[in-house]
Amino acid sequence: AQSVAQPEDQVNVAEGNPLTVKCTYSVSGNPYLFWYVQYPNRGLQFLLKYITGDNLVKGSYGFEAEFNKSQTSFHLKKPSALVSDSALYFCAVRDWGSGYSTLTFGKGTMLLVSP
Amino acid sequence: EADIYQTPRYLVIGTGKKITLECSQTMGHDKMYWYQQDPGMELHLIHYSYGVNSTEKGDLSSESTVSRIRTEHFPLTLESARPSHTSQYLCASSTGEGGYTFGSGTRLTVV
Repeated sequence: AQSVAQPEDQVNVAEGNPLTVKCTYSVSGNPYLFWYVQYPNRGLQFLLKYITGDNLVKGSYGFEAEFNKSQTSFHLKKPSALVSDSALYFCAVRDWGSGYSTLTFGKGTMLLVSP
Repeated sequence: EADIYQTPRYLVIGTGKKITLECSQTMGHDKMYWYQQDPGMELHLIHYSYGVNSTEKGDLSSESTVSRIRTEHFPLTLESARPSHTSQYLCASSTGEGGYTFGSGTRLTVV
């Protein structure tokens, strides 16, 4: 089985401050990990992914995520938040090689960046 | 620019009506998916397809049905809409190992 946990329903941060959105996962094999962002009344947009290689992955709009195998985490980070980053963020995992071909999504974390 | 298209974007319909939500993609992806997004914004997989003539039910039980007659087209049908079907429906497609590309969604309201 594969699962994803996003422990925070909402993260509040002031503009210009660093932000972190947390994600932990559970798979029996090797994980493929993804972050998506959703703006109001829109579909999900791809931000970044980890398949293999460097544990620090850089993505769109200045976001990055760090894969930590020992802690089974894939936290999303940005050094300096913008008000326009306010949106709903989803972490997702696929257990590559286990036969699962569908992504399992977390429940989502609402990020609110205040001016 | 999105290469996966959902129509309509918004739909208000009466109870008991039959509706079809359209989803088309131009990327040649074999795999396609339908998600239902509840008011709490959590995503629930309701149907998926690995290719033409392949359809599977997802994790969340749904009264809807799907078909995959062409690679690019994956419509979702509700034979008799009910207020409990009010939700946002998201269509997505993917290659074998990549992530998903999502459409903009259809927001359905059944009155």
